[in-house]
Amino acid sequence: GENVEQHPSTLSVQEGDSAVIKCTYSDSASNYFPWYKQELGKRPQLIIDIRSNVGEKKDQRIAVTLNKTAKHFSLHITETQPEDSAVYFCAASIHYGGSQGNLIFGKGTKLSVKP
Amino acid sequence: DGGITQSPKYLFRKEGQNVTLSCEQNLNHDAMYWYRQDPGQGLRLIYYSQIVNDFQKGDIAEGYSVSREKKESFPLTVTSAQKNPTAFYLCASSGASGSYEQYFGPGTRLTVT
Repeated sequence: GENVEQHPSTLSVQEGDSAVIKCTYSDSASNYFPWYKQELGKRPQLIIDIRSNVGEKKDQRIAVTLNKTAKHFSLHITETQPEDSAVYFCAASIHYGGSQGNLIFGKGTKLSVKP
Repeated sequence: DGGITQSPKYLFRKEGQNVTLSCEQNLNHDAMYWYRQDPGQGLRLIYYSQIVNDFQKGDIAEGYSVSREKKESFPLTVTSAQKNPTAFYLCASSGASGSYEQYFGPGTRLTVT
């Protein structure tokens, strides 16, 4: 079955710097790759996602890139702010037609942004 | 925070007791999921249901049971057979038209002593 590896497990940056989190997946049939942000004690919330027919997607300070050949995808956060501090999870899933696939999650990256 | 709810937020039980966690959604989503979250382990899938009256085991189903009698509800029972039940449990749903996004509930933190 699908396996998702996420690195690093912890990441500390200075406010204003960029942060990059990387994930690899094993099943070449995976076609949907979301990123979730989870603040302490709260529910995970989707921040950005990408489908396999797209190589890059941006939303303000957040971007995701996908390399299907290498089976890896990355989250890029620019101009980091203290409120970006949280645990970030990547995930992968396979969707056929309109069906809802099951997400396989990475183990998470704890991002700390120092003021 | 509306849409998908879980209750209670905190739950304490003695070892050997079964306990049922509630999950309700008013998003009209067909699919619902239960995850377990442990520190440093990410989210692991326990059970999922793509449609009413049907559900499938996920990666760590042993010691758990579910039912899906209504579209809005997907309760999870943690049985006494679950060897290490203390964890944070998250319910999610998906099925919005054209979207694969899973929406999560606020979670239930279960402590078994």
